[in-house]
Amino acid sequence: SQQGEEDPQALSIQEGENATMNCSYKTSINNLQWYRQNSGRGLVHLILIRSNEREKHSGRLRVTLDTSKKSSSLLITASRAADTASYFCATPNFNKFYFGSGTKLNVKP
Amino acid sequence: DAMVIQNPRYQVTQFGKPVTLSCSQTLNHNVMYWYQQKSSQAPKLLFHYYDKDFNNEADTPDNFQSRRPNTSFCFLDIRSPGLGDAAMYLCATSRVGQFTGELFFGEGSRLTVL
Repeated sequence: SQQGEEDPQALSIQEGENATMNCSYKTSINNLQWYRQNSGRGLVHLILIRSNEREKHSGRLRVTLDTSKKSSSLLITASRAADTASYFCATPNFNKFYFGSGTKLNVKP
Repeated sequence: DAMVIQNPRYQVTQFGKPVTLSCSQTLNHNVMYWYQQKSSQAPKLLFHYYDKDFNNEADTPDNFQSRRPNTSFCFLDIRSPGLGDAAMYLCATSRVGQFTGELFFGEGSRLTVL
């Protein structure tokens, strides 16, 4: 792929549970970004973590970054049915953004 | 208010009949991108404009062309659509300078090829 891989490819959980998805990337980065995509819609930016940061929080989202392993994880706490979507990581490479393969999250009410 | 607007949202064309998809932005961003996304796959970068400079990805077929007549507008032309070109086409913008910021996406144009 242009970017790397995400796992799991699909995740199904109950409302209220936490959801964790992982992203690996191939090139050196200055930041890594997570996006959400509802079915049939465009992508929406969720959170950006810079290469000199290890962890970042935004509401129910927690992102970690390990540049030595070229990996990142996104944790969604206390999930809701409305969190059902696909989640992608992206790494800017100069002006280009390449996306991971994505995790499809299904939160059951 | 929508900041990146794509038209049409749905486009049906016949095999080999040219198609043009449009994208406009109110963000005054200097970079505009076109992505192709097939079902259950990651968005795949086709090309992007940095201001007026066009940058093609190495594996983008010649069948795909783009125009950016001004800062606000960008077009994707598919000269002779094949069945394999059926996909969602996503336009995105970004402000790129010393620091590369986030992407802002439109809602996409879904292309069906009959």
